[in-house]
Amino acid sequence: SYVLTQPPSVSVAPGQTARITCGGNDIGIKSVHWYQQKPGQAPVLVVYADSDRPSGIPERFSGSNFGNTATLTISGVEAGDEAGYYCQVWDSSSDHLVVFGGGTKLTVL
Amino acid sequence: EVQLVESGGGLVQPGGSPRLSCAASGFTFRNYNMNWVRQAPGKGLEWVAHISSSGSTIYYADSVKGRFTISRDNAKNSLYLQMNSLRAEDTGVYYCARHLFGNYFDYWGQGTLVTVSS
Repeated sequence: SYVLTQPPSVSVAPGQTARITCGGNDIGIKSVHWYQQKPGQAPVLVVYADSDRPSGIPERFSGSNFGNTATLTISGVEAGDEAGYYCQVWDSSSDHLVVFGGGTKLTVL
Repeated sequence: EVQLVESGGGLVQPGGSPRLSCAASGFTFRNYNMNWVRQAPGKGLEWVAHISSSGSTIYYADSVKGRFTISRDNAKNSLYLQMNSLRAEDTGVYYCARHLFGNYFDYWGQGTLVTVSS
């Protein structure tokens, strides 16, 4: 089955830019979606279809996807961005249709 | 306002058979595919099952295939997960999530905790 690999943790100072990667074989040909999850809360969609933002998500959140790596970029990081972030794809080539990355804990220093 | 509210979780003995429910409101439920996603304590998200809008197409993760059954009642705006032969590794928070055409989940419920323990 398809595997998505994320770094367990990323740390960044307030106001700086955080980049969270999601690696997968030829992930660039897939549509990648990103979710933010704060402790004790349900996940929230922050980026879909590689780089689109749902309404209500700040422009600080952006995404890209090329080759074997998709990236979620958070510009001007704020304390409230501290959370877990998960990438997700739909893998129609296998029975395991929905694949999540292992998640990345973003720490705001 | 879209709302998804799960219920049915709790402490269950190994081998038990709880049924989770997800009550949907604020949108035309019968038009949307739905999913169950779970999260073990301190772990990441794991997809569990998918059901099409009509209920005619169903998929399961290998970890639950043959033990769990996803279903829906469009007249009642409800999604279900019948869980059988529960194991300790099934412990976690179970979320229902609305599935959009681009194969992502735009709304999630608050989750219901299932704890499998004797």
